[in-house]
Amino acid sequence: AQSVTQLGSHVSVSEGALVLLRCNYSSSVPPYLFWYVQYPNQGLQLLLKYTTGATLVKGINGFEAEFKKSETSFHLTKPSAHMSDAAEYFCAVSPNTGGFKTIFGAGTRLFVKA
Amino acid sequence: SQTIHQWPATLVQPVGSPLSLECTVEGTSNPNLYWYRQAAGRGLQLLFYSVGIGQISSEVPQNLSASRPQDRQFILSSKKLLLSDSGFYLCAWSAQGKRENTIYFGEGSWLTVV
Repeated sequence: AQSVTQLGSHVSVSEGALVLLRCNYSSSVPPYLFWYVQYPNQGLQLLLKYTTGATLVKGINGFEAEFKKSETSFHLTKPSAHMSDAAEYFCAVSPNTGGFKTIFGAGTRLFVKA
Repeated sequence: SQTIHQWPATLVQPVGSPLSLECTVEGTSNPNLYWYRQAAGRGLQLLFYSVGIGQISSEVPQNLSASRPQDRQFILSSKKLLLSDSGFYLCAWSAQGKRENTIYFGEGSWLTVV
């Protein structure tokens, strides 16, 4: 069975510092991978996704993530944090056999200090 | 382009009262439709999904039910609300026939049962 683990329920960075949000998955075959962002009192917005091809995926708002099969990881990064990046981030996994049983991680809340 | 709307955005209901949350998707046909719940400080819990009109699958036995009376309409209901039904409810959709199953979310509805 698939699972998703987001390391750290809370991450705090200073404005301008590197953002690194960790996501590891468990799957017998490489799945499809997603990162979503949720601002307070809003729905989830798709940041980026990995399906096939290039393992470094660029998304909106300057975020990117790299699929590392050997490490079963899909960590989210941004070189320089902005105050507006403060939000909750969810990693998600979808089986590559098709279907609609997407599994979401528990989320990581990002705080950005001035 | 596709859009998803759900309403009402905020709802305060007494224990034992009925519930109806509605969601519609525009710009696509025959989507997969989903209802998720997000309790305070927790991740996403899939409640129901639907692959077509009148076809509903329940993931978690509970006090809620879902219906899909039209292709792009999804309704979450309860006959008698419990305090434990409080939370943030998210409607979502994904395209049929796509293996990656990218999920797109609505704005969410806050339900407080008092």
